[in-house]
Amino acid sequence: DTGVSQDPRHKITKRGQNVTFRCDPISEHNRLYWYRQTLGQGPEFLTYFQNEAQLEKSRLLSDRFSAERPKGSFSTLEIQRTEQGDSAMYLCASSHDQGDHQPQHFGDGTRLSIL
Amino acid sequence: AQTVTQSQPEMSVQEAETVTLSCTYDTSENNYYLFWYKQPPSRQMILVIRQEAYKQQNATENRFSVNFQKAAKSFSLKISDSQLGDTAMYFCAFMNRGNTPLVFGKGTRLSVIA
Repeated sequence: DTGVSQDPRHKITKRGQNVTFRCDPISEHNRLYWYRQTLGQGPEFLTYFQNEAQLEKSRLLSDRFSAERPKGSFSTLEIQRTEQGDSAMYLCASSHDQGDHQPQHFGDGTRLSIL
Repeated sequence: AQTVTQSQPEMSVQEAETVTLSCTYDTSENNYYLFWYKQPPSRQMILVIRQEAYKQQNATENRFSVNFQKAAKSFSLKISDSQLGDTAMYFCAFMNRGNTPLVFGKGTRLSVIA
């Protein structure tokens, strides 16, 4: 169990640029979640997958955001035409899907700063 | 939609003392799960303790225990014998059945003072 891995740890970009983040879940976990956390707030749900299927997207996920998990393993989150309000910590978590209440294991997050 | 409220933005406690962090939630569901997560400064969020709503017995994990009051929709975390390493943001979180996404509160920043 190597834990949830996220890359990069930090991303600084100019407004209007596109960015892509990667998340590698714990290998046997088939559920993968993306959250966004702004300063002083708790994480807010963005989207989640079971294997390669995207099960739900939050209203927070505007058309500029897209997430994929093409082979049911790693996932990518892309933000197009970044805006100042996109500055946040983007957290990835993964869990088993066996049973009813598996705990989610979080990565270190990707901190995005928009200049 | 479910909501989670943590009414204490910041708390402090002396080392070795006991502290209780509050959490209330709102849901119309009967079966659900509650969690406390800890997020140390610039470090990963980790699970502290979890509670199944259908269990009356309060969960305990070493120095951490909860007081789960289902009728009051209250889920407080008690940390006994506080240690400097307990300094962190603590988030209360709610989950419906089926490993659905977590709904988090805004967190409580806990400082343990030597």
